[in-house]
Amino acid sequence: DAKTTQPPSMDCAEGRAANLPCNHSTISGNEYVYWYRQIHSQGPQYIIHGLKNNETNEMASLIITEDRKSSTLILPHATLRDTAVYYCIVPLISGGYQKVTFGTGTKLQVIP
Amino acid sequence: GAVVSQHPSWVICKSGTSVKIECRSLDFQATTMFWYRQFPKQSLMLMATSNEGSKATYEQGVEKDKFLINHASLTLSTLTVTSAHPEDSSFYICSAIGLGLASNEQFFGPGTRLTVL
Repeated sequence: DAKTTQPPSMDCAEGRAANLPCNHSTISGNEYVYWYRQIHSQGPQYIIHGLKNNETNEMASLIITEDRKSSTLILPHATLRDTAVYYCIVPLISGGYQKVTFGTGTKLQVIP
Repeated sequence: GAVVSQHPSWVICKSGTSVKIECRSLDFQATTMFWYRQFPKQSLMLMATSNEGSKATYEQGVEKDKFLINHASLTLSTLTVTSAHPEDSSFYICSAIGLGLASNEQFFGPGTRLTVL
């Protein structure tokens, strides 16, 4: 499965855009990029996913480079409640389902 | 979106006892459920994958006789930690993927915090 690399931590001022990078240089052509986040002591929460086109939903935007070797998750107006660990994941397809392996993620601290 | 619940949300038990954790898919049928474990300040580690009506598949290093998984119906999987010891204290999280869900993504439960005294 494609390994992902993320910075261990980032700070972002409240109200500003948070841009979280992820490298996945070994991703193959049919593998998706998923982003989840985990707020302290809670289960992971799905944010967004994409294959090669940029995606946007009510939570965030996902920008995937043309060569698909990296992506950026954008939280357009970060709030204090967005403080969490953000995981960029390229699931392995095994047995007909996705096998999600969590790395260390990026700990985003939104500062007032 | 699809909802997964876990029960209990937290449990404290004595060393040597067994603890059962339930994972339910509330508004969809879960063909496959996953169990993760998370120690403090660490990431989630996949323990096992369970498919309804069949034996669970355990990840390397996870003792199947200690962590019993039963996926008896399309909405319920249980994890039983047998003869629990303090080193089993952790945050246990389940996730599920379901029939007919478009993206085949996993939906995570809120987690169960186990403390073994």
